[in-house]
Amino acid sequence: DAKTTQPPSMDCAEGRAANLPCNHSTISGNEYVYWYRQIHSQGPQYIIHGLKNNETNEMASLIITEDRKSSTLILPHATLRDTAVYYCIVSSHSGYALNFGKGTSLLVTP
Amino acid sequence: DVKVTQSSRYLVKRTGEKVFLECVQDMDHENMFWYRQDPGLGLRLIYFSYDVKMKEKGDIPEGYSVSREKKERFSLILESASTNQTSMYLCASSSTGRGAYEQYFGPGTRLTVT
Repeated sequence: DAKTTQPPSMDCAEGRAANLPCNHSTISGNEYVYWYRQIHSQGPQYIIHGLKNNETNEMASLIITEDRKSSTLILPHATLRDTAVYYCIVSSHSGYALNFGKGTSLLVTP
Repeated sequence: DVKVTQSSRYLVKRTGEKVFLECVQDMDHENMFWYRQDPGLGLRLIYFSYDVKMKEKGDIPEGYSVSREKKERFSLILESASTNQTSMYLCASSSTGRGAYEQYFGPGTRLTVT
């Protein structure tokens, strides 16, 4: 599975959009981009995933560049409850396990 | 909603003890996973299972074994606990096919070995 690079930490003001970047320059054609988050003292939670096209659900939007070498997770109106570690993971759909890495610690401030 | 439950939230054991961590999921998922999480190291995969009685080693299987006798239950066993196995242990499950992208996690067991 391709390796990902994320900034270790980011801040965001409550109510503003949080844009979390992820580089995955070695991604191959059959690999998806997944995003999970982990709120303190809880297990990780799935957010969204995509292959080539941008994706949106009730939690977030995922923007994948045309060359697929990077992506951005967007939380459109961050709340204090969005303070968490966010993991960007690249894996083929047939892979059983996910390599979580260290993620980005997002702090949403009032 | 999928529920993944783990037998204990907190556990304290002595060095050399045999430790069992139990995980149960209620959504008939084929795949189950055990991770450990340590500060600065992220989540690391210990073992996973894609069917009853089947298991595969993850990145850090040394010192651990697993058992999956029933589809809904996946146990992690520390044969002889050591202090370097003090950690947060997370269990997860997922289905196959279209649902394979989403892993559902339990709340975790914080194990302290003294």
